[in-house]
Amino acid sequence: DQQVKQNSPSLSVQEGRISILNCDYTNSMFDYFLWYKKYPAEGPTFLISISSIKDKNEDGRFTVFLNKSAKHLSLHIVPSQPGDSAVYFCAARHQGAQKLVFGQGTRLTINP
Amino acid sequence: DAGITQSPRYKITETGRQVTLMCHQTWSHSYMFWYRQDLGHGLRLIYYSAAADITDKGEVPDGYVVSRSKTENFPLTLESATRSQTSVYFCASTTTSGASPPGEQFFGPGTRLTVL
Repeated sequence: DQQVKQNSPSLSVQEGRISILNCDYTNSMFDYFLWYKKYPAEGPTFLISISSIKDKNEDGRFTVFLNKSAKHLSLHIVPSQPGDSAVYFCAARHQGAQKLVFGQGTRLTINP
Repeated sequence: DAGITQSPRYKITETGRQVTLMCHQTWSHSYMFWYRQDLGHGLRLIYYSAAADITDKGEVPDGYVVSRSKTENFPLTLESATRSQTSVYFCASTTTSGASPPGEQFFGPGTRLTVL
């Protein structure tokens, strides 16, 4: 049972435009949601997170939105830059635990 | 080296052989994790450890063994490798000290394992 799903395996966006990556979850007991970025031949690196009691968190060009009623979160990158080309994973943490559940990942390509 | 390291970075082995993947972190993080990354599945948790001598199963533990005798090391052993264990393996660590955002894990560079 996939508790965290990223239904888009890939996304292509023009440089300077907005990139929107989506993630759905099924478990209401997650307390934090995180986005990780992964370049080829490297480990994932933390990008941004949001508490389940918030609906928005912003950090520079990156904003994460959480819609609890729809069990949906999204990552907005604006403006998109070539260096943003990577695989993005959303992840969720069980309340009171340290384990994360990851989605399948979305490969973002920023075209010049 | 400071941070979290994995060795080897690449490994080719044969079906039935025992393989051990090493993970070492210098932060004294209490929690350590092993994940495998496969196309279409994202990152799946194999085993994790809350402290030395405390380990627990994750989502896909079958065929793997872990140990943690020291806080800084968390080796993963495939006792009898199978082709389905061909994957990229990532080790990660985290702290509960509050110094990082809740849930943030720090990942090693990965080990690409091929089982022939």
